[in-house]
Amino acid sequence: DAGVIQSPRHEVTEMGQEVTLRCKPISGHDYLFWYRQTMMRGLELLIYFNNNVPIDDSGMPEDRFSAKMPNASFSTLKIQPSEPRDSAVYFCATGPSYNSPLHFGNGTRLTVT
Amino acid sequence: SQQGEEDPQALSIQEGENATMNCSYKTSINNLQWYRQNSGRGLVHLILIRSNEREKHSGRLRVTLDTSKKSSSLLITASRAADTASYFCATDAKETSGSRLTFGEGTQLTVNP
Repeated sequence: DAGVIQSPRHEVTEMGQEVTLRCKPISGHDYLFWYRQTMMRGLELLIYFNNNVPIDDSGMPEDRFSAKMPNASFSTLKIQPSEPRDSAVYFCATGPSYNSPLHFGNGTRLTVT
Repeated sequence: SQQGEEDPQALSIQEGENATMNCSYKTSINNLQWYRQNSGRGLVHLILIRSNEREKHSGRLRVTLDTSKKSSSLLITASRAADTASYFCATDAKETSGSRLTFGEGTQLTVNP
C-alpha cells in the first residue's frame, strides 16, 4: 500500500499563474478530502468527494479554486489565478467509509510570490 | 473558529516523562480522533474514540473522553524523542451532514533526549 500520493511536493510560482495539485488516493477509499494548512488558520477543509462526486465545497475560498475527481484514482485541485495569500500546505486525505479515520498524503507546499 | 481547541499550544518534556494534551470542543460529536504530524509530513491517525466510550488505549497512548465537559485528553506514557511532533484532535460533529472532520490547532510536543 503506497498510501496517498500527492504531487508535486513543492511548488513555487508567481502571482497570477495557474497551479494544479494532484492526488492519487488509496485504492478502495471512497472518500477524498482536500485540506489547506497555514499557521494562521490551521487545517481547513476545502472540499470533499464521495465516489468521485463533490459533496461539500463550502470550504473553497473563492472561485479561483476548483477541484475535480474524474475517476476513483485521481483528483486535482486547481488555483487560477494564484495569489500570495494562497501560500500554504495543501493536503489530500482519503478514507474507506463515512467517519473512518483519514489517511493523509505528505502534502504540497505551495509558495506564491 | 475551530471546533476543537488543544491545550497547551506547546509542551516540552524530558524523555521518559508522560505527556498530556487536552482538547475541548463545542458541539455534540459522533466521535473524536487524535492525529500526529511530524514536521514536513502529513497527519497520521493515532486513535478514535466514540461518543459512547470514556477511555481507550493503544500501546503507550491513552485517550479519555468526557462528553459532559466536551473535552478529551491524550496521554503519552514513557515519552521518547521520536514522539516529538504536533498532535491534533479532530471532531466529527453530529449536526453536520455527511463526513466533515474539524481539526483543532494542535499541540506541539517536544521530547528532549
